[in-house]
Amino acid sequence: KAGVTQTPRYLIKTRGQQVTLSCSPISGHRSVSWYQQTPGQGLQFLFEYFSETQRNKGNFPGRFSGRQFSNSRSEMNVSTLELGDSALYLCASSLEPSSGNQPQHFGDGTRLSIL
Amino acid sequence: LAKTTQPISMDSYEGQEVNITCSHNNIATNDYITWYQQFPSQGPRFIIQGYKTKVTNEVASLFIPADRKSSTLSLPRVSLSDTAVYYCLVGDRSARSGGYNKLIFGAGTRLAVHP
Repeated sequence: KAGVTQTPRYLIKTRGQQVTLSCSPISGHRSVSWYQQTPGQGLQFLFEYFSETQRNKGNFPGRFSGRQFSNSRSEMNVSTLELGDSALYLCASSLEPSSGNQPQHFGDGTRLSIL
Repeated sequence: LAKTTQPISMDSYEGQEVNITCSHNNIATNDYITWYQQFPSQGPRFIIQGYKTKVTNEVASLFIPADRKSSTLSLPRVSLSDTAVYYCLVGDRSARSGGYNKLIFGAGTRLAVHP
C-alpha cells in the first residue's frame, strides 16, 4: 500500500509569491491534515479536511488555505509568501477525522524555502 | 488542552533499553496516547498507541499508569538507527469542533544513540 505522497519535495520561492502544495493520502483514507514544521516553532497544526470540508483549523493567518477534492487528495496554498514561511510542510492522512485515537500517517513533506 | 511534557534530549548506547516518559496531566477520559518517531527531513512515523496499562508491538512498549497522567515509551536494545526525535501526543477533543481533534505536538525528545 502506497504511503502519503507529497509533491513537490523541494520548492524555492521569493517573497510575495504564492505556492500550492499537493498531498495524496493513503488509499482509503478520507481525512487529511496539514502541519508546518520549523526549527523554532516545531510542528504546528494548520488545518484538517474530511469529505472536502475543513473540520479544524490552527492559528495561522488567512494567507494559508487549503482544500480537499472528492478523491481525498488535498492541496494547501500560501499567498504573499514571507521569509518566515520557510518550513517543512507535512501532510498526514487517517481513515477518519483525527480524533487522537486514529493514528495519522505522514508524508515526508515539502521543504519550502523563501528567498 | 491536553499538553504534553517530555525531556528535551536523552543519550543512550547501542544495546541499551531506553525509556522516555511523557507527562499529560490534563488528559481527557476518552483520549489515547500516541507516540511518533521522526528522522531529519522526514515526516513523523507512528510507533505505538495506548489507552491504559501496557501495549507492546514489534518495536516498542508503552506503559500507562492507572491515573493516565503520564506514559513511558520503552525502546528495547536501541541501535544507532533509533537516533531520532520522539513525540508524545494526546488527542485534544474540542466540543466546539464537534468532537474532531487537532493533534498538538510538543517539542519532542531528541534521542541520541552512541556506539
